Amino acid sequence: DGGITQSPKYLFRKEGQNVTLSCEQNLNHDAMYWYRQDPGQGLRLIYYSQIVNDFQKGDIAEGYSVSREKKESFPLTVTSAQKNPTAFYLCASSFTGPLGYEQYFGPGTRLTVT
Amino acid sequence: GNSVTQMEGPVTLSEEAFLTINCTYTATGYPSLFWYVQYPGEGLQLLLKATKADDKGSNKGFEATYRKETTSFHLEKGSVQVSDSAVYFCALSDPGAQKLVFGQGTRLTINP
Repeated sequence: DGGITQSPKYLFRKEGQNVTLSCEQNLNHDAMYWYRQDPGQGLRLIYYSQIVNDFQKGDIAEGYSVSREKKESFPLTVTSAQKNPTAFYLCASSFTGPLGYEQYFGPGTRLTVT
Repeated sequence: GNSVTQMEGPVTLSEEAFLTINCTYTATGYPSLFWYVQYPGEGLQLLLKATKADDKGSNKGFEATYRKETTSFHLEKGSVQVSDSAVYFCALSDPGAQKLVFGQGTRLTINP
């Protein structure tokens, strides 16, 4: 089954700790993305990567870091510098084919920091 | 820059009612347009898309037509079901940037 896996579904951390969210895809997509969603809000782009070993900041990159060492994996670290880390985090990947550009999402990880 | 504006929610309808969720966009060039659906506690699912003017995207009874003259991509369904209750996001892609720009989402609730 091809798809995007995010683990875990729920994550709890104490304030001041860094935490890493996992995102894996077996769709052979080149580009991957991390979004943040707050209750009742839209999506905000944190980081994206269009190719291995390269990534760009999105609209709200402060307090987050990423790596892209493998095509299939794009982990997101929420650092202690992120002032309000409690949120729903969505990973996505994309490709451009004969029918144009399409982006697909994982099931999300809900992070709670207390 | 590119932007997407959706109608304010929440929207509440009775089962079998006609649905329209408005979406307008501002973009340079010729973006592709998308509708995504998000069920509670889940990620977004691609519902339909259109890649050029006058294209109609359709899926699961939902339709949207890419109207360049009015810069719109309104989502419609003739007869909604309780299972259509979700949050719907309109989005556009900038061909050069390989990113999506999302609207703020519209929460839809269908009552039996």
